[in-house]
Amino acid sequence: EIVLTQSPGTLSLSPGERATLSCRASQSVTSNYLAWYQQKRGQAPRLLIYGASSRATVIPDRFSGSGSGTDFTLTISRLEPEDFAVYYCQQYDKPTITFGQGTRLEIK
Amino acid sequence: EEQLVESGGGLGQPGGSLRLSCAASGVTFSNYEMNWVRQAPGKGLEWVAYISNTGTSIYYSDSVKGRFTISRDNAKNSLYLQMNSLRAEDTAIYFCARDRKLVSWGQGTLVTVSS
Repeated sequence: EIVLTQSPGTLSLSPGERATLSCRASQSVTSNYLAWYQQKRGQAPRLLIYGASSRATVIPDRFSGSGSGTDFTLTISRLEPEDFAVYYCQQYDKPTITFGQGTRLEIK
Repeated sequence: EEQLVESGGGLGQPGGSLRLSCAASGVTFSNYEMNWVRQAPGKGLEWVAYISNTGTSIYYSDSVKGRFTISRDNAKNSLYLQMNSLRAEDTAIYFCARDRKLVSWGQGTLVTVSS
């Protein structure tokens, strides 16, 4: 099983700032089968990024993903008020999917 | 517009059973792999089970293997999760989600396991 470790656990920033979230895998994620999700309180998660760097449909271009192998990053270039939420990375390389524990992005 | 709607949640007894359903619309259901993902209260996401579009490939997390069964009926555009031998730690919101990269999600159904 691939274990995904996200950091930091909580990130406190202000609107307009840049956010950088990290996801590290315990072994290489082949074919970059790594996705990022946003979850707001009381809602289902929403796919933001798949294939490590491809934006899902209707996701604003302030969201970007990068990385390969074992180290991946989600960047939000300029935070909007609606971006404060919990973010999860997920690998779908192996038949058994795994998630990171999440990063909470909160307003400073 | 694509929609996934879960149902069947509620209160289950420890050692008991529940059956969850997920009804799909607005998409050619038989073309897609499906998953169940759960989220315990205040916790993160946990993948539960996967089924291929034809139902021939199935995988489970270790935490539910041998107790839960995923299935689908493509003629009815429906996905199912039979949950047996329920435990308190199965208490969670259960989401169905399409594709291995979980492109779309239902709103979830709450399962509470308690005596």
